[in-house]
Amino acid sequence: EAGVTQSPTHLIKTRGQQATLRCSPISGHTSVYWYQQALGLGLQFLLWYDEGEERNRGNFPPRFSGRQFPNYSSELNVNALELEDSALYLCASSPGSSGRWTGELFFGEGSRLTVL
Amino acid sequence: AQSVTQPDIHITVSEGASLELRCNYSYGATPYLFWYVQSPGQGLQLLLKYFSGDTLVQGIKGFEAEFKRSQSSFNLRKPSVHWSDAAEYFCAHGGTGGFKTIFGAGTRLFVKA
Repeated sequence: EAGVTQSPTHLIKTRGQQATLRCSPISGHTSVYWYQQALGLGLQFLLWYDEGEERNRGNFPPRFSGRQFPNYSSELNVNALELEDSALYLCASSPGSSGRWTGELFFGEGSRLTVL
Repeated sequence: AQSVTQPDIHITVSEGASLELRCNYSYGATPYLFWYVQSPGQGLQLLLKYFSGDTLVQGIKGFEAEFKRSQSSFNLRKPSVHWSDAAEYFCAHGGTGGFKTIFGAGTRLFVKA
């Protein structure tokens, strides 16, 4: 069974540009989470999507946005990139809020975004 | 607010020595508890989890953790560390009712020869 897949693995952008990151959850999972992991700052919760809707977002500006598609894959968009957006962006999936919620997350390998 | 505390930012142990990484959580009911490991530049891999039952749980790679309700702790242990265990370790808990998994800040493990 395929795990959570993320693309691209690496992405280099310049300040002011836009970045789009993609995530495919484990088959059967309806929830997708996005985390930012900047150097030395641990895991910062960005966004949670479930059944196609945004359910929760962390303390990030509106230029961080995303969506979830009918097949439950998701993309994260970061507009007007700033240098401090350089980080590893991790996607995770879970079975979703309709079943028994445990908090267990299944992570992808991440997308490394570098902003120059 | 619900939180997970990992008191040690980094720990250095000698190869072959035992390891204990500390984790404390703040949550009234019995939480669902997890330990994840992250190698540099990689995603997080689940080491073990506790939902209920036996308070000593076994995980992959020879790790175990013990849930102690009285101390609100879920410490990770390994009897003999290998150089390949050098990584960052995250403790987390879920089941908070807000569908949001709470992570600790992580503990970076260094292994010296």
